[in-house]
Formats: sequence, structure tokens, C-alpha cells
Amino acid sequence: NAGVTQTPKFRILKIGQSMTLQCAQDMNHNYMYWYRQDPGMGLKLIYYSVGAGITDKGEVPNGYNVSRSTTEDFPLRLELAAPSQTSVYFCASSYEGSGYTFGSGTRLTVV
Amino acid sequence: DQQVKQNSPSLSVQEGRISILNCDYTNSMFDYFLWYKKYPAEGPTFLISISSIKDKNEDGRFTVFLNKSAKHLSLHIVPSQPGDSAVYFCAATRNQGGKLIFGQGTELSVKP
Repeated sequence: NAGVTQTPKFRILKIGQSMTLQCAQDMNHNYMYWYRQDPGMGLKLIYYSVGAGITDKGEVPNGYNVSRSTTEDFPLRLELAAPSQTSVYFCASSYEGSGYTFGSGTRLTVV
Repeated sequence: DQQVKQNSPSLSVQEGRISILNCDYTNSMFDYFLWYKKYPAEGPTFLISISSIKDKNEDGRFTVFLNKSAKHLSLHIVPSQPGDSAVYFCAATRNQGGKLIFGQGTELSVKP
């Protein structure tokens, strides 16, 4: 039972490039989330989804997009990478909002 | 607007002693509070939680206290062990199933 799997673990992007951070869970959780963690700032919610086909903005959605075509997958898209998006990104899932399970994170550097 | 605040970025404690991590919140609508533990290069893992109808919840060496009037909660670890060295995040939500709002984290170091 893999839980929440995030790929890649590390990535360096140039300013203006785009990329997709992948997140998959195998626990049949209906809720999924993307957080970013910046030093001294804790985890900030970027986007979340309460089920396939439903997504909503969190605290810091600007510069990101998400989609939820299946229960298992919740990719996060960066269209025009900026240095301010340098961060560690965590995907999480839960059943009805209870019992969050986090992935191990993607460390992204934009140069 | 930081709705959940952990004002101590770091804490150092001797093995065997008590560790006390503090957390304050501003939103009186929060009714469920959680503590997560995070090791380097790993995602946060759930540690303990408390509902606003309680003022204390205990699980082994870990106890969380909630003071609703002060909008303050604390995590006590007794006795502290070197393996407890990690970053601890406080989180809050409404209706238990709502989105989690996290504090900034406190890095605990337990020295042998």
C-alpha cells in the first residue's frame, strides 16, 4: 500500500518554464490537497479537491492550476515558473477531510 | 493573515525532560485542532488531535491541551526522546472535515 506518491522528488526549472507535479493516492480517498512549504511559513494550501471533477482554490492559488479527472490523481501545473514558486510541495489526501496522509514532497527550485 | 501561529521557531530539550510546544489561533470558528510531526525529506505525519469540546487529549507520551478562551493549545511530550527531534506543526480546521490551516512549525531538538 503506497499511500500518497509524489513525483518528481526534485526539480530545477528555469524562469518561464512549465511543469506538472504529479500526485497519486491508492487509498480511495475522495479529498486531495496541494500545499507548499516555505521556510518559517508553515504549509499553505494551494488547491484542493473534494472529488473527481471538483477543484477549488486554497490560500495561495496564483500561478498554479489543477485538475482532478480521477479519484486517484491530482496533478499540479505550473505554467510560467517564477522564483517565488521555489518551495517544497506536498500533496495530501483524506477521506471526507479526516485523517490526512501526506506524500514525501517535491522540492522545486526556479532559477 | 496568519490564523494559526507558532511563535517559537525552535526548541531544545534534554532527553527525559518535558517538551512543550505552543500554538495560538485567531479564528474562533476553528473547532478541531491537530499536531503533525515532520522529519526531513518526509511528509508530515499525524500525531494527535483534539476537538473543541475537550480541553485535554492524551496518547501515550503525548498530551494536547486546549484553552478556548485564550485561543491557545499546547503539545506536551513526556519524557522527550531523541527520536522526537523533528518539526512539529499545529493545524486547525472547522467541522473536522474542513481544510487544514497550518502554523509555521517549531523545530524540536532533543539532546541525549
